[in-house]
Amino acid sequence: DTGVSQDPRHKITKRGQNVTFRCDPISEHNRLYWYRQTLGQGPEFLTYFQNEAQLEKSRLLSDRFSAERPKGSFSTLEIQRTEQGDSAMYLCASSLTSGTGGRDTQYFGPGTRLTVL
Amino acid sequence: EDQVTQSPEALRLQEGESSSLNCSYTVSGLRGLFWYRQDPGKGPEFLFTLYSAGEEKEKERLKATLTKKESFLHITAPKPEDSATYLCAVQARGYGQNFVFGPGTRLSVLP
Repeated sequence: DTGVSQDPRHKITKRGQNVTFRCDPISEHNRLYWYRQTLGQGPEFLTYFQNEAQLEKSRLLSDRFSAERPKGSFSTLEIQRTEQGDSAMYLCASSLTSGTGGRDTQYFGPGTRLTVL
Repeated sequence: EDQVTQSPEALRLQEGESSSLNCSYTVSGLRGLFWYRQDPGKGPEFLFTLYSAGEEKEKERLKATLTKKESFLHITAPKPEDSATYLCAVQARGYGQNFVFGPGTRLSVLP
Protein backbone atom coordinates (compact mmCIF):
# COMPACT_ATOMS: atom_id res chain seq x y z
CA ASP A 1 0.00 0.00 0.00
CA THR A 2 1.50 3.34 -1.04
CA GLY A 3 -1.01 5.63 0.69
CA VAL A 4 -0.62 7.77 3.79
CA SER A 5 -0.18 5.71 6.94
CA GLN A 6 -0.65 6.70 10.58
CA ASP A 7 0.33 5.02 13.82
CA PRO A 8 -1.19 4.19 16.20
CA ARG A 9 -4.76 3.89 14.93
CA HIS A 10 -6.16 4.21 18.44
CA LYS A 11 -4.72 5.69 21.64
CA ILE A 12 -6.31 5.81 25.06
CA THR A 13 -4.52 7.88 27.68
CA LYS A 14 -5.12 9.48 31.03
CA ARG A 15 -5.41 13.23 31.46
CA GLY A 16 -2.02 14.83 31.97
CA GLN A 17 -0.04 12.23 30.00
CA ASN A 18 1.94 12.98 26.85
CA VAL A 19 1.15 11.25 23.55
CA THR A 20 2.93 11.12 20.20
CA PHE A 21 1.48 10.18 16.83
CA ARG A 22 3.34 9.32 13.64
CA CYS A 23 2.44 9.95 10.00
CA ASP A 24 4.18 8.52 6.95
CA PRO A 25 3.16 10.43 3.80
CA ILE A 26 3.04 9.20 0.23
CA SER A 27 6.73 8.84 -0.59
CA GLU A 28 7.19 11.54 -3.24
CA HIS A 29 4.92 14.13 -1.57
CA ASN A 30 6.63 17.28 -0.33
CA ARG A 31 3.78 18.68 1.79
CA LEU A 32 2.36 17.16 4.95
CA TYR A 33 -0.65 18.41 6.91
CA TRP A 34 -2.18 17.69 10.31
CA TYR A 35 -5.90 18.10 10.99
CA ARG A 36 -8.15 17.40 13.95
CA GLN A 37 -11.70 16.11 13.59
CA THR A 38 -14.37 15.83 16.26
CA LEU A 39 -17.60 13.87 15.93
CA GLY A 40 -20.03 15.36 13.43
CA GLN A 41 -17.60 18.03 12.23
CA GLY A 42 -15.30 18.40 9.28
CA PRO A 43 -11.53 18.27 9.79
CA GLU A 44 -9.89 21.42 11.21
CA PHE A 45 -6.44 22.47 10.09
CA LEU A 46 -3.63 22.35 12.67
CA THR A 47 -0.33 22.76 10.83
CA TYR A 48 1.56 21.94 7.64
CA PHE A 49 5.10 21.30 6.45
CA GLN A 50 6.79 21.78 3.14
CA ASN A 51 9.65 19.33 3.20
CA GLU A 52 11.13 19.74 6.71
CA ALA A 53 9.98 23.34 7.24
CA GLN A 54 6.86 24.01 9.30
CA LEU A 55 5.27 26.86 7.35
CA GLU A 56 1.92 27.45 9.01
CA LYS A 57 0.26 26.81 12.36
CA SER A 58 -3.38 27.30 13.28
CA ARG A 59 -4.41 29.18 16.39
CA LEU A 60 -5.96 25.84 17.41
CA LEU A 61 -2.42 24.56 17.94
CA SER A 62 -1.76 25.52 21.56
CA ASP A 63 1.71 25.43 23.09
CA ARG A 64 0.96 21.89 24.34
CA PHE A 65 1.08 20.71 20.73
CA SER A 66 4.27 20.32 18.74
CA ALA A 67 4.90 18.83 15.34
CA GLU A 68 8.11 17.88 13.57
CA ARG A 69 9.10 16.52 10.19
CA PRO A 70 12.79 15.68 10.40
CA LYS A 71 14.48 15.16 7.04
CA GLY A 72 11.22 15.96 5.26
CA SER A 73 9.90 12.43 5.45
CA PHE A 74 7.65 11.17 8.27
CA SER A 75 6.11 13.54 10.80
CA THR A 76 5.25 13.34 14.48
CA LEU A 77 2.58 15.22 16.41
CA GLU A 78 3.07 15.39 20.17
CA ILE A 79 0.49 16.53 22.69
CA GLN A 80 1.81 17.30 26.16
CA ARG A 81 -0.31 17.27 29.33
CA THR A 82 -3.36 15.94 27.51
CA GLU A 83 -6.80 17.26 28.40
CA GLN A 84 -10.21 15.67 27.86
CA GLY A 85 -10.90 18.28 25.18
CA ASP A 86 -8.05 16.84 23.13
CA SER A 87 -10.12 13.70 22.46
CA ALA A 88 -10.59 13.62 18.68
CA MET A 89 -9.47 11.97 15.46
CA TYR A 90 -6.08 13.30 14.33
CA LEU A 91 -5.71 13.13 10.57
CA CYS A 92 -2.59 13.44 8.46
CA ALA A 93 -2.62 14.32 4.77
CA SER A 94 0.05 14.78 2.12
CA SER A 95 0.29 16.42 -1.28
CA LEU A 96 2.74 17.02 -4.09
CA THR A 97 3.01 20.68 -4.96
CA SER A 98 5.49 22.76 -6.90
CA GLY A 99 5.97 26.46 -6.12
CA THR A 100 4.19 28.56 -3.53
CA GLY A 101 0.89 28.91 -5.34
CA GLY A 102 0.39 25.41 -6.57
CA ARG A 103 -2.92 23.65 -6.50
CA ASP A 104 -2.62 20.56 -4.39
CA THR A 105 -4.96 17.67 -3.79
CA GLN A 106 -4.47 16.35 -0.28
CA TYR A 107 -4.62 12.60 0.35
CA PHE A 108 -5.55 11.56 3.86
CA GLY A 109 -4.43 8.76 6.10
CA PRO A 110 -6.75 6.60 8.23
CA GLY A 111 -6.35 8.82 11.30
CA THR A 112 -5.44 8.25 14.95
CA ARG A 113 -8.37 8.17 17.35
CA LEU A 114 -7.33 9.72 20.70
CA THR A 115 -9.40 9.22 23.83
CA VAL A 116 -8.35 11.12 26.96
CA LEU A 117 -9.87 9.74 30.16
CA GLU B 1 -12.94 34.61 7.00
CA ASP B 2 -13.29 31.64 4.66
CA GLN B 3 -16.43 29.60 5.35
CA VAL B 4 -18.01 26.43 4.00
CA THR B 5 -21.53 25.21 4.72
CA GLN B 6 -23.16 22.00 3.53
CA SER B 7 -26.78 20.99 3.20
CA PRO B 8 -28.64 18.97 4.07
CA GLU B 9 -26.98 17.83 7.29
CA ALA B 10 -28.32 14.31 6.71
CA LEU B 11 -30.10 12.65 3.80
CA ARG B 12 -31.85 9.32 3.55
CA LEU B 13 -32.54 7.92 0.09
CA GLN B 14 -34.02 4.75 -1.24
CA GLU B 15 -31.76 2.76 -3.52
CA GLY B 16 -32.07 4.23 -7.02
CA GLU B 17 -33.46 7.58 -5.81
CA SER B 18 -31.22 10.31 -7.26
CA SER B 19 -30.47 13.50 -5.33
CA SER B 20 -27.97 16.33 -4.86
CA LEU B 21 -25.82 17.56 -1.99
CA ASN B 22 -24.97 21.25 -1.68
CA CYS B 23 -21.75 22.98 -0.64
CA SER B 24 -21.85 26.77 -0.31
CA TYR B 25 -18.62 28.67 0.22
CA THR B 26 -17.27 32.14 0.97
CA VAL B 27 -13.60 32.65 0.23
CA SER B 28 -11.42 35.62 -0.67
CA GLY B 29 -10.39 33.84 -3.84
CA LEU B 30 -10.93 30.22 -4.73
CA ARG B 31 -7.91 28.13 -5.59
CA GLY B 32 -9.78 24.84 -5.56
CA LEU B 33 -12.85 23.05 -4.24
CA PHE B 34 -12.54 19.44 -3.15
CA TRP B 35 -15.04 16.66 -2.46
CA TYR B 36 -14.20 13.77 -0.15
CA ARG B 37 -16.08 10.71 1.04
CA GLN B 38 -15.59 9.57 4.64
CA ASP B 39 -16.70 6.25 6.09
CA PRO B 40 -17.13 5.95 9.89
CA GLY B 41 -13.82 5.71 11.73
CA LYS B 42 -11.75 6.25 8.57
CA GLY B 43 -9.93 9.12 6.92
CA PRO B 44 -11.46 11.13 4.06
CA GLU B 45 -11.15 9.55 0.62
CA PHE B 46 -10.55 11.93 -2.28
CA LEU B 47 -13.27 12.16 -4.93
CA PHE B 48 -12.96 15.33 -7.04
CA THR B 49 -11.14 18.63 -7.45
CA LEU B 50 -12.85 21.58 -9.18
CA TYR B 51 -10.97 24.77 -10.00
CA SER B 52 -13.25 27.16 -11.87
CA ALA B 53 -16.94 27.97 -12.28
CA GLY B 54 -18.61 25.82 -14.88
CA GLU B 55 -16.29 22.88 -14.35
CA GLU B 56 -17.78 19.40 -13.93
CA LYS B 57 -16.24 16.06 -12.94
CA GLU B 58 -17.81 12.58 -12.97
CA LYS B 59 -16.99 9.27 -11.37
CA GLU B 60 -19.37 6.33 -11.55
CA ARG B 61 -22.67 7.50 -10.00
CA LEU B 62 -21.24 10.82 -8.78
CA LYS B 63 -21.02 14.14 -10.61
CA ALA B 64 -19.63 17.34 -9.11
CA THR B 65 -20.35 20.82 -10.45
CA LEU B 66 -19.07 24.26 -9.48
CA THR B 67 -20.44 27.81 -9.61
CA LYS B 68 -18.97 31.00 -8.17
CA LYS B 69 -20.75 30.47 -4.85
CA GLU B 70 -21.52 26.78 -4.52
CA SER B 71 -20.86 23.25 -5.62
CA PHE B 72 -23.23 20.35 -6.04
CA LEU B 73 -22.55 16.65 -5.74
CA HIS B 74 -25.16 14.82 -7.77
CA ILE B 75 -25.74 11.16 -6.97
CA THR B 76 -27.51 9.18 -9.68
CA ALA B 77 -29.27 5.92 -8.83
CA PRO B 78 -27.40 5.48 -5.53
CA LYS B 79 -26.63 2.11 -4.00
CA PRO B 80 -26.33 1.20 -0.30
CA GLU B 81 -22.52 1.21 -0.62
CA ASP B 82 -22.72 4.95 -1.38
CA SER B 83 -23.74 5.52 2.25
CA ALA B 84 -21.08 7.74 3.87
CA THR B 85 -20.41 11.31 4.94
CA TYR B 86 -19.55 13.57 2.02
CA LEU B 87 -17.20 16.42 2.86
CA CYS B 88 -16.59 19.58 0.85
CA ALA B 89 -13.42 21.65 1.31
CA VAL B 90 -12.07 24.85 -0.22
CA GLN B 91 -8.54 26.09 -0.63
CA ALA B 92 -8.22 29.86 -0.85
CA ARG B 93 -5.72 31.95 -2.76
CA GLY B 94 -2.94 33.50 -0.81
CA TYR B 95 -0.22 32.23 1.43
CA GLY B 96 -2.27 29.71 3.44
CA GLN B 97 -2.25 26.18 2.09
CA ASN B 98 -4.80 24.60 4.32
CA PHE B 99 -8.24 23.34 3.43
CA VAL B 100 -11.35 24.72 5.09
CA PHE B 101 -13.87 21.92 5.43
CA GLY B 102 -17.61 22.00 5.75
CA PRO B 103 -19.35 19.85 8.38
CA GLY B 104 -20.37 17.24 5.83
CA THR B 105 -23.60 15.60 4.69
CA ARG B 106 -24.39 12.15 6.12
CA LEU B 107 -25.92 10.08 3.34
CA SER B 108 -27.81 6.87 4.01
CA VAL B 109 -29.01 4.77 1.05
CA LEU B 110 -31.57 2.18 2.04
CA PRO B 111 -31.98 -1.06 0.06
